Amino acid sequence: AQSVTQLDSQVPVFEEAPVELRCNYSSSVSVYLFWYVQYPNQGLQLLLKYLSGSTLVKGINGFEAEFNKSQTSFHLRKPSVHISDTAEYFCAVLYSGGYQKVTFGTGTKLQVIP
Amino acid sequence: KAGVTQTPRYLIKTRGQQVTLSCSPISGHRSVSWYQQTPGQGLQFLFEYFSETQRNKGNFPGRFSGRQFSNSRSEMNVSTLELGDSALYLCASSLVSGQGPDTQYFGPGTRLTVL
Repeated sequence: AQSVTQLDSQVPVFEEAPVELRCNYSSSVSVYLFWYVQYPNQGLQLLLKYLSGSTLVKGINGFEAEFNKSQTSFHLRKPSVHISDTAEYFCAVLYSGGYQKVTFGTGTKLQVIP
Repeated sequence: KAGVTQTPRYLIKTRGQQVTLSCSPISGHRSVSWYQQTPGQGLQFLFEYFSETQRNKGNFPGRFSGRQFSNSRSEMNVSTLELGDSALYLCASSLVSGQGPDTQYFGPGTRLTVL
């Protein structure tokens, strides 16, 4: 079965420190990967996506992620976080041939400490 | 372009009632997907509609149903509501360009509370 694992349910980090949010997916021949952010009482906003090409993907708000096929990972990083980055982050996978049936991870709550 | 809109934003119902939620996709988008989000289960896929046809369905009971209209707007219906149906229901639309995978764009959600 297709699955996405976000091992860390909560990640506290001090403001201006770097952060990495981890995401692993079950292996498949062809996958498309996404990171979304959800602020309280809001829907999901797309941060970045990997469809093909360069394995390092840059997104909005200074975030980036690296697709690692051998480790089936797609970790999200930011070199210096801001208070406004406090939110929940979801990793998502779309498997080739799955139409729009996206599988989401359980989410990681990023808490930025002033 | 306007984003995905969902109505109503908040809804309170009692057990046994039924409810209909509405989603208007981004203009030009032809696929609409629905998700249920709860603290315990996270984001779970309900179903996806394209060209008024259900293409994909998640593992939810038959009480959950949906439809899509010719203008791509979609509704989902939950009959015989249970306490466990309390959740944030998210709608997402995508273009379906036919040139590879499409990104889903989410609406703000409808918060359903079942008493």
